[in-house]
Amino acid sequence: NAGVTQTPKFQVLKTGQSMTLQCAQDMNHEYMSWYRQDPGMGLRLIHYSVGAGITDQGEVPNGYNVSRSTTEDFPLRLLSAAPSQTSVYFCASSYKLGLAGAYEQYFGPGTRLTVT
Amino acid sequence: DQQVKQNSPSLSVQEGRISILNCDYTNSMFDYFLWYKKYPAEGPTFLISISSIKDKNEDGRFTVFLNKSAKHLSLHIVPSQPGDSAVYFCAASEETSGSRLTFGEGTQLTVNP
Repeated sequence: NAGVTQTPKFQVLKTGQSMTLQCAQDMNHEYMSWYRQDPGMGLRLIHYSVGAGITDQGEVPNGYNVSRSTTEDFPLRLLSAAPSQTSVYFCASSYKLGLAGAYEQYFGPGTRLTVT
Repeated sequence: DQQVKQNSPSLSVQEGRISILNCDYTNSMFDYFLWYKKYPAEGPTFLISISSIKDKNEDGRFTVFLNKSAKHLSLHIVPSQPGDSAVYFCAASEETSGSRLTFGEGTQLTVNP
């Protein structure tokens, strides 16, 4: 049971390049999310998915696309990288607990992206 | 609009003493609150949570207190250990937002031996 895995761990891109950050989970969780972490700003939600075939925007979706064709995978695509997208990206998967609003979230180890 | 705020970027305590990390929120619809711990170069890991129907939840050395009227929660670590040194994030969710979490900025806790 690997939990949530992310690849690559590090990536350097030039402005305008595109790439896909990979995320996979083997816990059969319905819910998956992408966050970015910037200094002094905590984690901010980019996109999330409540199940295969269903995605929605989070707090900071501009410049990113996602798709969810299987329960296990939730890739994040940067369409045309910009220096403002330099950040650490975390993928998370979760399942619903019994209480209202309660979800147990598990995070991957992160991808550190630098855009020059 | 920062709905979850951790006003202290850093906190330093001595080993064996109590660490108190604070978090304030503005959204009265939040009904579940969590604390995550994060070590450098790792993803956040779940530490402890509390539902809005409770005012206290305890798990070993960690206790979370919720004051709904003040929209304030705190994490107490007793006794603090050097291995507790990490960034602690407060997070909140509401039932209508599904699995979406809103995070605070984080507090760097340093426990000195």
